[in-house]
Amino acid sequence: GAGVSQSPSNKVTEKGKDVELRCDPISGHTALYWYRQSLGQGLEFLIYFQGNSAPDKSGLPSDRFSAERTGGSVSTLTIQRTQQEDSAVYLCASSLVQGAFGNTIYFGEGSWLTVV
Amino acid sequence: AQTVTQSQPEMSVQEAETVTLSCTYDTSESNYYLFWYKQPPSRQMILVIRQEAYKQQNATENRFSVNFQKAAKSFSLKISDSQLGDTAMYFCAFILTSNTGKLIFGQGTTLQVKP
Repeated sequence: GAGVSQSPSNKVTEKGKDVELRCDPISGHTALYWYRQSLGQGLEFLIYFQGNSAPDKSGLPSDRFSAERTGGSVSTLTIQRTQQEDSAVYLCASSLVQGAFGNTIYFGEGSWLTVV
Repeated sequence: AQTVTQSQPEMSVQEAETVTLSCTYDTSESNYYLFWYKQPPSRQMILVIRQEAYKQQNATENRFSVNFQKAAKSFSLKISDSQLGDTAMYFCAFILTSNTGKLIFGQGTTLQVKP
């Protein structure tokens, strides 16, 4: 696609439910990144993929969070048993290859999750 | 631990004037890259400018320039001739060459350009 596409753009869910957030990177981009942006906070790194593998999962806040990437393209971030503190904007980004410097990282517009 | 601090939560500037956004960072590593990103109300992050830590020369990109002080771990952004379209949240970030998949961001500075 022309840009990084994320869905849904907005999601309201009840506490305790599971949610899935989807990211479609720019076609041909091998690296994919997930970040979380809470209200009034900066971006918090969650995980990144190089191809289908995730060399760094250190940012996932708890075992309720998981992510996968299939076919080197679409990625899904899953949050199980959502809590109110999970409310945030979840941003996805992609780049042609891994590494923010030599390759521009393109961000999507985010999925705004509200847990009530 | 690596951290980025932006001490100015909000700033404003008159159109056509110059404004400087401050950023300090902390890392024990010596090889890294620094960035400023812009996030307009659309939420889409846009790269404004980037700097290699091993370069002493400050990066410039049209109306945007940085003042990089490696010893002080300071990386400020100067916007000259401010335009209404510069209104956005600005994030300072860095990445280690040892882990180039992980951008570390500050908390952001909201900049409003007034007509």
